[in-house]
Amino acid sequence: KAGVTQTPRYLIKTRGQQVTLSCSPISGHRSVSWYQQTPGQGLQFLFEYFSETQRNKGNFPGRFSGRQFSNSRSEMNVSTLELGDSALYLCASSPWTSGKDEQFFGPGTRLTVL
Amino acid sequence: QKEVEQDPGPLSVPEGAIVSLNCTYSNSAFQYFMWYRQYSRKGPELLMYTYSSGNKEDGRFTAQVDKSSKYISLFIRDSQPSDSATYLCAMKRGNKLVFGAGTILRVKS
Repeated sequence: KAGVTQTPRYLIKTRGQQVTLSCSPISGHRSVSWYQQTPGQGLQFLFEYFSETQRNKGNFPGRFSGRQFSNSRSEMNVSTLELGDSALYLCASSPWTSGKDEQFFGPGTRLTVL
Repeated sequence: QKEVEQDPGPLSVPEGAIVSLNCTYSNSAFQYFMWYRQYSRKGPELLMYTYSSGNKEDGRFTAQVDKSSKYISLFIRDSQPSDSATYLCAMKRGNKLVFGAGTILRVKS
């Protein structure tokens, strides 16, 4: 089975711009979660989507948003970029057939905001 | 206080050593416990997954959970330079996965 794929792998933007990141989960997985990873804060949960519905949300401002499509692919959008948004954005998918399903991560998109 | 505490290291050991990585947690609602390995410029890779107190072994890796003490460990036997990476503990309650800060491990040949 192919793993979780994320595009693009690297992105450079300037302050004030917006960005859209894409994630394709493992085939058959219905849950997609997004995380932000920075050296100072570690891995922080952004949000989780299941069957096109946002099921959980972390403590991030409204500039961070996401959506999931009927084929389980997901996108996240960050508007009005700030320097502090520079990070590795990770997507993880899970089959979510029971509460103990593990999450499998993609390679991430490294976003640099100048 | 963070829900999950993990010493960021770095932890430097000679090749062949037994490595012990640890995390503590404060919320007894955590039900599932995981260890991920992350190489530089890569996404985290799931190593071990446990949901009960006790030990789980997989090759050179042993995961240990002590729910009464709110303490989990990962042991790596016969460590190799290829084990050099950041090790992240993670814990799940309901749908939410909470990560530790990650411990940087360096295995020197």
